[in-house]
Amino acid sequence: IAGITQAPTSQILAAGRRMTLRCTQDMRHNAMYWYRQDLGLGLRLIHYSNTAGTTGKGEVPDGYSVSRANTDDFPLTLASAVPSQTSVYFCASSDGGDTGELFFGEGSRLTVL
Amino acid sequence: AQKITQTQPGMFVQEKEAVTLDCTYDTSDQSYGLFWYKQPSSGEMIFLIYQGSYDEQNATEGRYSLNFQKARKSANLVISASQLGDSAMYFCAMTYTMIYNQGGKLIFGQGTELSVKP
Repeated sequence: IAGITQAPTSQILAAGRRMTLRCTQDMRHNAMYWYRQDLGLGLRLIHYSNTAGTTGKGEVPDGYSVSRANTDDFPLTLASAVPSQTSVYFCASSDGGDTGELFFGEGSRLTVL
Repeated sequence: AQKITQTQPGMFVQEKEAVTLDCTYDTSDQSYGLFWYKQPSSGEMIFLIYQGSYDEQNATEGRYSLNFQKARKSANLVISASQLGDSAMYFCAMTYTMIYNQGGKLIFGQGTELSVKP
């Protein structure tokens, strides 16, 4: 089934550890995004990539980094996890069409202790 | 700065009745897009409907319609003939920019949890 695959689905992590959330899409979309979802705050944009080889900062980029070596993959790295990064992380892609509709992965639930 | 506000944390509706979920936005841009997404208890995000700021007609997608009132900066979602499967969290969102290929940079509201009663 075409779409976005995120891994892991769920992870418990000790504070200070490094963690990479993986995201792969097979729709050949140029644009990809990482959002975090927190109760009462909705979804907030962490980082984005308009096309392979480029990345940009969103609303809440601190403590996170991304790379976009190719069209399909857009990993999100927490260099040194902190408890405030406990959240559900969604990867999404867009074909850049008129509506900018986002196609979301199923989310990765991360708990930092 | 752009902002999306959903003032209804939770809503109840009787099955088969219509329901309106409120969304107001704030932006100084003349060109923007508005979205509604549904998040069922399983957690995935599902696109429902889109309205461009220059669209003169309200967007409709099946049982979903977007009541766009530009002067009031509101973009309410109307669900007609509610079904039990409509029980979910609903998010209103707005684009940061209408530049091509950057339309997926969205600002989301806090969400409204809709419960449909049988």
